[in-house]
Amino acid sequence: QKEVEQDPGPLSVPEGAIVSLNCTYSNSAFQYFMWYRQYSRKGPELLMYTYSSGNKEDGRFTAQVDKSSKYISLFIRDSQPSDSATYLCAMKVTNAGNMLTFGGGTRLMVKP
Amino acid sequence: DAGITQSPRHKVTETGTPVTLRCHQTENHRYMYWYRQDPGHGLRLIHYSYGVKDTDKGEVSDGYSVSRSKTEDFLLTLESATSSQTSVYFCAISEPGLAGGRDTQYFGPGTRLTVL
Repeated sequence: QKEVEQDPGPLSVPEGAIVSLNCTYSNSAFQYFMWYRQYSRKGPELLMYTYSSGNKEDGRFTAQVDKSSKYISLFIRDSQPSDSATYLCAMKVTNAGNMLTFGGGTRLMVKP
Repeated sequence: DAGITQSPRHKVTETGTPVTLRCHQTENHRYMYWYRQDPGHGLRLIHYSYGVKDTDKGEVSDGYSVSRSKTEDFLLTLESATSSQTSVYFCAISEPGLAGGRDTQYFGPGTRLTVL
């Protein structure tokens, strides 16, 4: 079993929909959580990061962490065709080593 | 791309040949990383560096070596390429002074390597 699980999709939604992307993890030592967006044939681009449980909002994006359930989510409001990409979750044990553990990514398609 | 460039961007080579990929950064970031990305496996760390001449192994280091003789350059070498090393290779950096601190990594554009 992988340490971080992420549904590969594809997830297809109409423009304007609220999108929910999720990851589950098994290592309770993970304390730092990130979401990356990756367009086709490009490098991952950092979207959001958080050290704590609860919600963090940035524009149309909200990251949610539930450490008790080992579950993190990324919500996208008012989704746009330009949001079509693969979304990767990543996590780390803070101040311990340098390795990020990634989910496999969820491919999102937002249709006009 | 946090000032990261990778070269070459695309390469096709044959089994058994040596290959070197270059990651160059212009911001004097201390920490540099090499990842590979494969379908079904996501991104996996190959090697990383925490300073000039200071490197360490990651999760999938077999068949790869690295060198960092200057702050700005981190080289990944496949001594004798195999078809299983066909992948997309990403360089990343982290820096305490950037958003998210040392724990957050910023990625370059990638190198697509095909080993025939």
